[in-house]
Amino acid sequence: GAVVSQHPSRVICKSGTSVKIECRSLDFQATTMFWYRQFPKQSLMLMATSNEGSKATYEQGVEKDKFLINHASLTLSTLTVTSAHPEDSSFYICSAPAPQGSNYGYTFGSGTRLTVV
Amino acid sequence: AQSVTQLDSQVPVFEEAPVELRCNYSSSVSVYLFWYVQYPNQGLQLLLKYLSGSTLVKGINGFEAEFNKSQTSFHLRKPSVHISDTAEYFCAVSGPYNFNKFYFGSGTKLNVKP
Repeated sequence: GAVVSQHPSRVICKSGTSVKIECRSLDFQATTMFWYRQFPKQSLMLMATSNEGSKATYEQGVEKDKFLINHASLTLSTLTVTSAHPEDSSFYICSAPAPQGSNYGYTFGSGTRLTVV
Repeated sequence: AQSVTQLDSQVPVFEEAPVELRCNYSSSVSVYLFWYVQYPNQGLQLLLKYLSGSTLVKGINGFEAEFNKSQTSFHLRKPSVHISDTAEYFCAVSGPYNFNKFYFGSGTKLNVKP
C-alpha cells in the first residue's frame, strides 16, 4: 500500500535553531502533501498544503516565514521550522492523498515530535 | 469551519468487552467521515471511512461505525476488543466544500486491560 515515510521521528533542538522535517512518498507520487500540527491533548490542525512545483498554501494564523515548506519533487516535501522557540514544540505529521485506484483516503507519516529547549 | 468532537479522551475497557468510541461533527451537509488509529510511535492508519451509501461501515480489525445524519454522529464500535487494540483513535471529517481538508477530533485513547 501507499506509504509516507517521515523523518526524524523525534528531534530536540535549542531555541533559535532551525529544524527540517522530511516526508517522502515511497511507492507513489504525491503532488500534494498536507502538514499538520498537534499540541498535547488537542486535535491535529492543518498548517499548510504543499504542492509540487508551486508555493505552499498556509492556513490562517500560520506564519509562512517561520514554517518553510518545500515540495521539490513528486516524492518529497519538507517542513523547516525556522528560529524555533519552545512554543513550537509539538507533534508534526504529514499526509498525502492515496493514489487513485487504491482505497480512498490519505496516507499519514509517522509524525515528528519536536521539542525546543 | 468544521468541528469534530470526541467526548471521551480516555476509554478503559477489559479484554473481550464491547467498546464504543463517540464522534460528533458540526456540519449539517454532506461530508466524508473517517476513523484513524495511531499505535505508539507510529503514523495514523485508516480504520474505515464513510463516503456515501450504507450508513453502517465495516473496517479493518473488526471495527465498524454507523453514520447518523440526524445526530451528526459517527461512532466507532467493536463487539469484542483485544489487548492489541490499545491505541489512540481519531475521528476526522472532510468537506463539505473542500474534501482535501481534514478536521480531526482530539482523539480517544483506548486502553484494553487483561
